Amino acid sequence: DQQVKQNSPSLSVQEGRISILNCDYTNSMFDYFLWYKKYPAEGPTFLISISSIKDKNEDGRFTVFLNKSAKHLSLHIVPSQPGDSAVYFCAASAQGGSEKLVFGKGTKLTVNP
Amino acid sequence: KAGVTQTPRYLIKTRGQQVTLSCSPISGHRSVSWYQQTPGQGLQFLFEYFSETQRNKGNFPGRFSGRQFSNSRSEMNVSTLELGDSALYLCASSLVQGGHYEQYFGPGTRLTVT
Repeated sequence: DQQVKQNSPSLSVQEGRISILNCDYTNSMFDYFLWYKKYPAEGPTFLISISSIKDKNEDGRFTVFLNKSAKHLSLHIVPSQPGDSAVYFCAASAQGGSEKLVFGKGTKLTVNP
Repeated sequence: KAGVTQTPRYLIKTRGQQVTLSCSPISGHRSVSWYQQTPGQGLQFLFEYFSETQRNKGNFPGRFSGRQFSNSRSEMNVSTLELGDSALYLCASSLVQGGHYEQYFGPGTRLTVT
């Protein structure tokens, strides 16, 4: 039973445009969400996180939106750059700070010059 | 500040052997988590240690075990290796501050079981 789902295995966008990566979850106990970027042969790199008490968090070119009623979150990257090309993972945790993260299977983003 | 380090980076073992992987967290981080990444299952949580105690555990068989030392360094052990244990094993350390936390991952250990 996949509790965190990233339904798009891949996404391709043009440099300078917006990239929108989506993530859905089923466990209503999740209250903290994180996005990671991963290059091949490297560990995931933390990008941005959001607590369930918020519906938006912004950090530079990255913005995460959380819709609790729909159990949906999205990561917006504006403007997209070729260096953003990587696999993006959505992760969730429950119980307000548990270190056990449940990951989606990732979306491969390709930003074309 | 140095990041999370993992040793070795690559390892080849044969079925039935055992293996020990090591992780050094970011200085000051007391929580260390381990994850397994495979193409089919993605990133799956193995276990988490905090102050030398296992605090969380994922759904893996007892062949997978770990421990944490007083300096927060952690090791994970897999006994009686199976072909399906071939994966990238990732260690992450985390720090909780005011309800906000981030997990920082190491580069991983690529284990190949033949």
